[in-house]
Amino acid sequence: GAGVSQSPRYKVAKRGQDVALRCDPISGHVSLFWYQQALGQGPEFLTYFQNEAQLDKSGLPSDRFFAERPEGSVSTLKIQRTQQEDSAVYLCASSKTGDKTYEQYFGPGTRLTVT
Amino acid sequence: AQKVTQAQTEISVVEKEDVTLDCVYETRDTTYYLFWYKQPPSGELVFLIRRNSFDEQNEISGRYSWNFQKSTSSFNFTITASQVVDSAVYFCALSDGESGGSYIPTFGRGTSLIVHP
Repeated sequence: GAGVSQSPRYKVAKRGQDVALRCDPISGHVSLFWYQQALGQGPEFLTYFQNEAQLDKSGLPSDRFFAERPEGSVSTLKIQRTQQEDSAVYLCASSKTGDKTYEQYFGPGTRLTVT
Repeated sequence: AQKVTQAQTEISVVEKEDVTLDCVYETRDTTYYLFWYKQPPSGELVFLIRRNSFDEQNEISGRYSWNFQKSTSSFNFTITASQVVDSAVYFCALSDGESGGSYIPTFGRGTSLIVHP
């Protein structure tokens, strides 16, 4: 079966541009997570969905970051007015259940470079 | 305070050597979960193991083994007879009920393992 897919794989944005990153989770997976991974660091939590409900957005670094999952499957992470410090790999992960402690299946990530 | 510490930034070994990756965690919860993930150069983190705080039994899966010791707050990962395909970044993660994101996993900084032929 298909794994988690993310698009685009690479994105270069000029400072101030808006970007939208897409995540297609494994079909039927209830939970969806977004993480930000800076170079040489571990993934850092951004936000969490259970089906279409965004239950936790405590990790979003600013109000320029916005995520949605309107039909409980595909999710989009949007970053407005990108800044250089937004450059990172953005990872999406999905999980079979609503249990946040369950193992997660990760996508390949979107590498965002803000110039 | 850092909740998951992977003190080894990079480890380099020659094929067939055994290697242990260290993970030390901090939590005041009595119920928590520990994970190891592998991140190969392709970028996708691959789940390896999940262990809850009530199960201190060590686990072996092929060449992989995990040593969970609550007394030292450690969850170390050993690869026996390493192979070039084991080259990757390995992350340890903790899921507990503390802080705002209850049970959202917190990842360590990772250990880069390089296995030379």
